[in-house]
Amino acid sequence: AQRVTQPEKLLSVFKGAPVELKCNYSYSGSPELFWYVQYSRQRLQLLLRHISRESIKGFTADLNKGETSFHLKKPFAQEEDSAMYYCALRTGNQFYFGTGTSLTVIP
Amino acid sequence: GAGVSQSPSNKVTEKGKDVELRCDPISGHTALYWYRQSLGQGLEFLIYFQGNSAPDKSGLPSDRFSAERTGGSVSTLTIQRTQQEDSAVYLCATRRGVGNTGELFFGEGSRLTVL
Repeated sequence: AQRVTQPEKLLSVFKGAPVELKCNYSYSGSPELFWYVQYSRQRLQLLLRHISRESIKGFTADLNKGETSFHLKKPFAQEEDSAMYYCALRTGNQFYFGTGTSLTVIP
Repeated sequence: GAGVSQSPSNKVTEKGKDVELRCDPISGHTALYWYRQSLGQGLEFLIYFQGNSAPDKSGLPSDRFSAERTGGSVSTLTIQRTQQEDSAVYLCATRRGVGNTGELFFGEGSRLTVL
């Protein structure tokens, strides 16, 4: 069963424009959600998690249980945001990842 | 080192050969995961180790795939009789352990190419 859906494989925005990377999940319990990012030639790393309710590198993500979504947003995209982004759901000891969205920020 | 270490970083092999991929976890991390990363497929879970418990092998795609974790530390993923569809990046990730909301820490991956 697909637990995490990222509908956009590719997303391009201009520098300074707002960006939203979509993530929907399927889980009946209380989810723990994460966004991971992989910059070019770097390892996959945590960007943010919903329980921290933090903003990292200008990105925020709000858990919407009604819509079962955890979209990642940034008001003004920067070139250095170009990367692959993965949404992940943790249930127990298992982590389920979406298929990823490749973000390109056009100068 | 401070991070998850994987070797080799790149492996090219011929179809039908066996390969071993190694993962050195962060010290003290009892949970260890193997994932396969393919273009357009995201991260596919393969296997999970937690301490001395029996591993969760539910993600292994076939019996050609196996993994061990010796002494609760280093892990080896073995692919026997490799096929071209096994070509992918194999990622190892670790975290501190059960009951903690901690994140996964990833290695840089082992890129496998089967000719």
